[in-house]
Amino acid sequence: GAVVSQHPSRVICKSGTSVKIECRSLDFQATTMFWYRQFPKQSLMLMATSNEGSKATYEQGVEKDKFLINHASLTLSTLTVTSAHPEDSSFYICSARGKGIGADTQYFGPGTRLTVL
Amino acid sequence: DQQVKQNSPSLSVQEGRISILNCDYTNSMFDYFLWYKKYPAEGPTFLISISSIKDKNEDGRFTVFLNKSAKHLSLHIVPSQPGDSAVYFCAASYRGSARQLTFGSGTQLTVLP
Repeated sequence: GAVVSQHPSRVICKSGTSVKIECRSLDFQATTMFWYRQFPKQSLMLMATSNEGSKATYEQGVEKDKFLINHASLTLSTLTVTSAHPEDSSFYICSARGKGIGADTQYFGPGTRLTVL
Repeated sequence: DQQVKQNSPSLSVQEGRISILNCDYTNSMFDYFLWYKKYPAEGPTFLISISSIKDKNEDGRFTVFLNKSAKHLSLHIVPSQPGDSAVYFCAASYRGSARQLTFGSGTQLTVLP
């Protein structure tokens, strides 16, 4: 139980385009979803926290207009990187916590490698 | 200010022996602690957690110990297996923060056959 999936696993796009990454909780209802970014050889950096049906809360220094987060249902959250640039290239990981699985534990997706040319 | 610290960036252990990974924290509001295992280019995998009302939690080969007075937790893996080789992160959270995780910097565990 407590499986989180992400799609796509890797994406390559041209500078200036937008990219959408999906995060799904497969066997539980995710009341809260989190989006992280990992730089090489560094720990995970929390970008934003989203509760189902409400606006995401962004961490300091994260541009909300650039990284659009939607948590429209209890099993799906999306991260859209708008007008992507090479400096947005990174490994993006989502996590979720929710009902019935130990609500205090976050379960992570496998991550999405974004490369912006 | 690093609220969760893993002071050992790496640890090598012989197969079959015990691996002990350590973690210290400074924020006394933390009341829930977790250990994750991570391979490169993958998301972290949850291993085991412990609430601050306990001092030990065990799950198979994994045991987590919590010493609240010392603000210290450790993960014991017995017996260690080559497949355990990965980066291990400890993380902490508290109720008032939407259970956001604060991560340590990770320890690379290598289990030698």
